[in-house]
Amino acid sequence: NAGVTQTPKFQVLKTGQSMTLQCAQDMNHEYMSWYRQDPGMGLRLIHYSVGAGITDQGEVPNGYNVSRSTTEDFPLRLLSAAPSQTSVYFCASSTTGLAKNIQYFGAGTRLSVL
Amino acid sequence: KQEVTQIPAALSVPEGENLVLNCSFTDSAIYNLQWFRQDPGKGLTSLLLIQSSQREQTSGRLNASLDKSSGRSTLYIAASQPGDSATYLCAVRFPSGGSYIPTFGRGTSLIVHP
Repeated sequence: NAGVTQTPKFQVLKTGQSMTLQCAQDMNHEYMSWYRQDPGMGLRLIHYSVGAGITDQGEVPNGYNVSRSTTEDFPLRLLSAAPSQTSVYFCASSTTGLAKNIQYFGAGTRLSVL
Repeated sequence: KQEVTQIPAALSVPEGENLVLNCSFTDSAIYNLQWFRQDPGKGLTSLLLIQSSQREQTSGRLNASLDKSSGRSTLYIAASQPGDSATYLCAVRFPSGGSYIPTFGRGTSLIVHP
């Protein structure tokens, strides 16, 4: 059982470049989300989705786009990278039901924008 | 805006001590609370999940309690070991517009020295 898989693990971009961070889960979870983690700032929610075809903004959505065409995948797109987007990005998933809805996290993508 | 605060931000203890990590939140109407562990350069690993109707959860040497009326949760680590060294984060799901988006604290960085 792979859980939540993020690719790539590391990436270096130049200012203005675009890229897509991939996230896939194999647990049939409805809820998926993207966070960024910065020193002294903790985890901040970028975008989230409660199911295929449904996305919404989190706390820090500017500069990022998402889509959810399937239950399994939730890619995060940086359209024009900026140095302020240098961070560690985490994808997470959980059920949305009233049961346990434990959040599962991927291993992270470390992004540097020069 | 709902907030989650973790105190202390850092803790260094000798091996064998019993520890208490604190998590406080501003709104008592929570859905659930989850404790995570994060090792340096790694993703988050779920330790314990407490539903709003529960008072505590236990897993091995870990015990998490929840007191909604005072807006607090504590993570108790018994007989600490060097392998417990990590950052511990709590995340609270508040019923905000039906999305139950988790809000994270900034974590407590724990070092257990031999």
